[in-house]
Amino acid sequence: DAGVIQSPRHEVTEMGQEVTLRCKPISGHDYLFWYRQTMMRGLELLIYFNNNVPIDDSGMPEDRFSAKMPNASFSTLKIQPSEPRDSAVYFCASRSRFKSDTEAFFGQGTRLTVV
Amino acid sequence: DQQVKQNSPSLSVQEGRISILNCDYTNSMFDYFLWYKKYPAEGPTFLISISSIKDKNEDGRFTVFLNKSAKHLSLHIVPSQPGDSAVYFCAASAGPNTGNQFYFGTGTSLTVIP
Repeated sequence: DAGVIQSPRHEVTEMGQEVTLRCKPISGHDYLFWYRQTMMRGLELLIYFNNNVPIDDSGMPEDRFSAKMPNASFSTLKIQPSEPRDSAVYFCASRSRFKSDTEAFFGQGTRLTVV
Repeated sequence: DQQVKQNSPSLSVQEGRISILNCDYTNSMFDYFLWYKKYPAEGPTFLISISSIKDKNEDGRFTVFLNKSAKHLSLHIVPSQPGDSAVYFCAASAGPNTGNQFYFGTGTSLTVIP
């Protein structure tokens, strides 16, 4: 398996623009997580899905953030409109429900810069 | 509020010596703990874990210790090698009680000096 695949790896956009981050989880994994890495808060959970259904989105910072999982192999995190304070590295991770006590596998992340 | 805390942002150790990374948590419902390692420009990768029914778990040069009464865990790396230089994240989960999600600390950047 190629692991969790995120795109793009880097995104530079202007304030006010819409940004869409993409994630392909590991095949067969039922849980998908979106994290944001910042210096102050480390790896911060934004939202997670179970079987394509959003379970907890309490970590989504504002209404400008939205996430979807239309099928088991694809998820998006959208920021509209983007702001400079959204600049961070965004990670997607997935895990199998058959190993609920084991680790999640992370993608390589998308480094977002909003100027 | 941060439920998992890593109070040391950085640590430097000489090659061959022991590295000790610490982590504290506040939620007594946490019953599974993990350490992740992260190199620059890569995603975090799983390193080692421990269940709350144990107080120690070893995997080669890596050992994790859990002190439930103190709500504290630590990662020991012996001997430390330059390739161990990375950011280490501590994470905790309470299984179904918290929806199986992991709570991460802010990370400790380890530098192993050759």
